[in-house]
Amino acid sequence: DIVMTQSPDSLAVSLGERATINCKSSQSVFYSSNNKNYLAWYQQRPGQPPNLLIYWASTRESGVPDRFSGSGSGTDFTLTISSLQAEDVAVYYCQQYYSTPFTFGPGTRVDIK
Amino acid sequence: QVQLVQSGAEVKKPGASVKVSCKASGYSFNGYYIHWVRQAPGQGLEWMGRINPNSGGTNYARKFQGRVTMSRDTSISTAYMELSRLNSDDTAVYYCARAGCRIVTGTCYSDYWGQGTLVSVSS
Repeated sequence: DIVMTQSPDSLAVSLGERATINCKSSQSVFYSSNNKNYLAWYQQRPGQPPNLLIYWASTRESGVPDRFSGSGSGTDFTLTISSLQAEDVAVYYCQQYYSTPFTFGPGTRVDIK
Repeated sequence: QVQLVQSGAEVKKPGASVKVSCKASGYSFNGYYIHWVRQAPGQGLEWMGRINPNSGGTNYARKFQGRVTMSRDTSISTAYMELSRLNSDDTAVYYCARAGCRIVTGTCYSDYWGQGTLVSVSS
């Protein structure tokens, strides 16, 4: 199974400041035949189901604000919130869908400083 | 619009089974995998498996093999997840989620999620 790790476990950022979350996979999730990284990011607010933010490591889902961006390739990925808003307080998960089981990272909690 | 509506909360005794339903609407049910993900209280997300609604084919996480059965009824666009031999560690919110790409294009992220079904296991 591919093991996903995230850092930090939690972070507190001032409103309008940048938040950066890292995700690492135990093996590459890059598929060379189609040049895609099989990595997604989800946001989960308390009491809500997860909400897809980013897929293919860097493609923003329709309707997601452009302050959210994803980068990285192979085994190392980053989710960046360029200017934190109050509604961004949530837990963020990465997930690989390269091979089953489609494992998630343990999550990173983002709060307002 | 795409919607996944799950069945209501369940309370079960240890050793019992639970069957959660997920009714899909707003898209071609047969064309997209349905995934099942669970979340224990205060914990992270755990992928349980997926079902191909067209063929009925399934992939289960090793942890749940032998205890989980995923099925579907295409006539009513509904997927099911049944978990047997429940214990207290199975207390969790169970989510269904639709794959964001058509089955023919390969594996994919999950773009639409159900509201979740709380399953509580207690003696």
